[in-house]
Amino acid sequence: EAEVAQSPRYKITEKSQAVAFWCDPISGHATLYWYRQILGQGPELLVQFQDESVVDDSQLPKDRFSAERLKGVDSTLKIQPAELGDSAMYLCASSLAGESTDTQYFGPGTRLTVL
Amino acid sequence: DAKTTQPPSMDCAEGRAANLPCNHSTISGNEYVYWYRQIHSQGPQYIIHGLKNNETNEMASLIITEDRKSSTLILPHATLRDTAVYYCIVSTGTASKLTFGTGTRLQVTL
Repeated sequence: EAEVAQSPRYKITEKSQAVAFWCDPISGHATLYWYRQILGQGPELLVQFQDESVVDDSQLPKDRFSAERLKGVDSTLKIQPAELGDSAMYLCASSLAGESTDTQYFGPGTRLTVL
Repeated sequence: DAKTTQPPSMDCAEGRAANLPCNHSTISGNEYVYWYRQIHSQGPQYIIHGLKNNETNEMASLIITEDRKSSTLILPHATLRDTAVYYCIVSTGTASKLTFGTGTRLQVTL
C-alpha cells in the first residue's frame, strides 16, 4: 500500500539553528499539505500545494518558515531560525486531486524538539 | 468550515461496540463529515466520511442524523489497537484543509 514518506522522523536542534523536513507524497497525488501539531492539540494547516503552486499559506509564519515543491512531487519545509515554540510534530499529507470527497493521507510525521 | 464538538474522552471494553458522538450543528449543505484517528505518535489515519446517508466500510460505520447536525462513528467490535484520538471534521472536501479540534480520546480496555 502506497504511503506518504517523511524524514527525518525525529529532529533535535538548538534555537536559532536552521532545520528542514522532507516529504514524499503518494505517487500521483497533486495536492500536498504540511500541518503542525502541538502536543495535546489537533493538527493545524501550515501550507497547501496544488502541484508546485502554493494555494494556502495563510497560517505559515513567513518570517521564519518556508516551503517549496519545486517539481510538484516531493516537498521541503524549512524553519530558520528555529524558536522554542516551534517544538511540535510536523505532518505531511497528500490527496489525489482537488475533487469532492478528497481523502487526505498522512505521513508518520517529524517530531521536532528545539532546545 | 463548521466547528465540531466531541467529548474529550471515552472508555470501551474490548469486543464491545464503541459509539463516538459528534455535534456539528452549523454544518453547511455542501460539507461532508469526516472521521480520522490518530494512534499515539503516528500520523492521522482516515476512517470514513459521509454527506447525509449512513456509510459503512471495513473499519467503521458512520450514522448521520437526518438534520445532519450530529453524527456517530461506530466501531463494531473494538480492540486494544483501536485506542486512539478520534477526530470528527466537517469539510467541503474539495482540496480543503482539515480543521482538527481536540478530538475524543478512546481508551479500549480488557
